[in-house]
Order: sequence, then structure tokens, then C-alpha cells
Amino acid sequence: QKEVEQNSGPLSVPEGAIASLNCTYSDRGSQSFFWYRQYSGKSPELIMSIYSNGDKEDGRFTAQLNKASQYVSLLIRDSQPSDSATYLCAVNMYYDSGGYQKVTFGTGTKLQVIP
Amino acid sequence: SAVISQKPSRDICQRGTSLTIQCQVDSQVTMMFWYRQQPGQSLTLIATANQGSEATYESGFVIDKFPISRPNLTFSTLTVSNMSPEDSSIYLCSVGRQLYGYTFGSGTRLTVV
Repeated sequence: QKEVEQNSGPLSVPEGAIASLNCTYSDRGSQSFFWYRQYSGKSPELIMSIYSNGDKEDGRFTAQLNKASQYVSLLIRDSQPSDSATYLCAVNMYYDSGGYQKVTFGTGTKLQVIP
Repeated sequence: SAVISQKPSRDICQRGTSLTIQCQVDSQVTMMFWYRQQPGQSLTLIATANQGSEATYESGFVIDKFPISRPNLTFSTLTVSNMSPEDSSIYLCSVGRQLYGYTFGSGTRLTVV
């Protein structure tokens, strides 16, 4: 089982619709979770971080976390063509011993917003 | 969030040679992370670099192949040694905080011929 799993897509949504991106993770000790947007040829850009169960909203973006189900999602409201990109889910596990931490990335979901 | 300056942005290298990638951060950070992103794939952590101690390498990555330096709290280098075409990839450095997320440099696109 992969540590962080995402549907590779592409996920196609019409402009103005809600895009829903999903991610599951295997390590129950995972403590914080991130969504990144990556345009082709560019480095990943942090969109959202979440570490408590429930919803976190920032503008058009809402991250949802359910630790019991080991599931994290990203909703993009009023999707725009400029939102077309690959969205990476990332999970941070922090090891107290030696202060070591590691972020593991999913393979990404390609989102296409159709004008 | 921290701003990272990474260079070079791209390079084409001959097999058997080495390339050193530099990352400069605009603030002091405890840990810096080095990733590789192969074409069409996600990011794979190479190593974590702490200032004043040896880097911690992930499974499949060794110090002889990817030596890392971390001379101070704002700077780190990753060297890709004795390169082969399989090392062609994008290399990224990253800094951040556990609860708030991580920032990436602009990346180094390496092609080995």
C-alpha cells in the first residue's frame, strides 16, 4: 500500500463548478497535511495546511481532514481555468527522537477546468 | 513564509561528472530538505539536512552519491556525483514548519547526456 494515495486523474470540471480532490494516507501517526498546486515546469506551491479534524477554509479553497478514516480532501469552489494544474497531497510525520520529520507526497491529481 | 533562491535553474552535464546545487534561504531555518522529481512523477525525499550534523538520507539514497553540506542556518548544497542519465531529474530544496507547510525553491532541471 502506498503511503499517500491520490487518483491521478485527469479530473475535468466546468468553469464555475466545485472541484473535489481526494487523498488517503496509510500512517495513523501522521500529524499534518498539505495541499500543493504544481503548474507544469514549476515547483510546488503550498495552498493549504491542516492538522485538526474538520474543515479549514481559505478563500475558494477548503481542506477537509478525517483522521479516523485517514482521509484528506481539497475542495475548490468556483473553479477557474487558472486552477488547471496538478494537485499534490502531502503528509508530515514528526519523529520526536532527534527531531526528525518527513513529508511524503502523493503522485498528484491533474485538474482540468474547462472554460 | 521563507523565500528560497536555488541555482542553477538548469544544467546539461556529461555522464561521470558532478553537479552542485545551491539553496539560499532568506531566514534562518533548522532543517532543509532535498527532493527529486523525475519526469511525470511526484516528489521523493532524498535527505534532510540539519546545520552542524550529518544529513539523514532516505532509503535508496547514499551520501557518496548525494553529498550534502549545511554550513550555516541559511544555506545548503546538494551534489549529484558521478552522474548517469538516470540522474536526469528536477532537484528541489525545501524549508518550512511541521504545522504550517513547506516552501520550495524554484528547482534545478538536470539533464545528463
